[in-house]
Amino acid sequence: GAVVSQHPSRVICKSGTSVKIECRSLDFQATTMFWYRQFPKKSLMLMATSNEGSKATYEQGVEKDKFLINHASLTLSTLTVTSAHPEDSSFYICSAPVTGVEKLFFGSGTQLSVL
Amino acid sequence: ELKVEQNPLFLSMQEGKNYTIYCNYSTTSDRLYWYRQDPGKSLESLFVLLSNGAVKQEGRLMASLDTKARLSTLHITAAVHDLSATYFCAATPSNTGKLIFGQGTTLQVKP
Repeated sequence: GAVVSQHPSRVICKSGTSVKIECRSLDFQATTMFWYRQFPKKSLMLMATSNEGSKATYEQGVEKDKFLINHASLTLSTLTVTSAHPEDSSFYICSAPVTGVEKLFFGSGTQLSVL
Repeated sequence: ELKVEQNPLFLSMQEGKNYTIYCNYSTTSDRLYWYRQDPGKSLESLFVLLSNGAVKQEGRLMASLDTKARLSTLHITAAVHDLSATYFCAATPSNTGKLIFGQGTTLQVKP
């Protein structure tokens, strides 16, 4: 079945650095991918919709200059957290719909900890 | 704007008991999803409900959808400890793959 691969699974970084998270569709093409954020013991909040070959669409309240999304190919979307601060520490998960398939496939998630 | 609400948010139950988690959504949704999440892990897909009256079952879990009431339920039959996890429902404002999640229900099954 369709698989979404997400890397890294865990990142610990210093405040002020940038972190890149990758989301790949392994056996299908994903023209669209979604990025979610989850705080501890909270629900998932949609951050943005990543569109292959065009600009991402950000949800209200999400800083697009802070969370840079690039979807340069049909199998790869990246989320870069720029100048990370402790409040950016969170669990980030990507997902991708597959045409003709009911389920939505999620990556394994990335736990970001900013010191 | 689509909003999704689950209740209860926390559920502690004995093994062998039955219980139901409720998921209400505020506007029309093409489909309704149920996911399981274990601590520190991503989401595991449980069910996708596509139409009014849809009922799906897998093991001790059964999900149903009433689009007129904008309500989905996840019923747990004879709970076992392995079912302890957080369960999320999610709706989609249109058939885009974009999901709006409920708050999650943390289920704790005690021996």
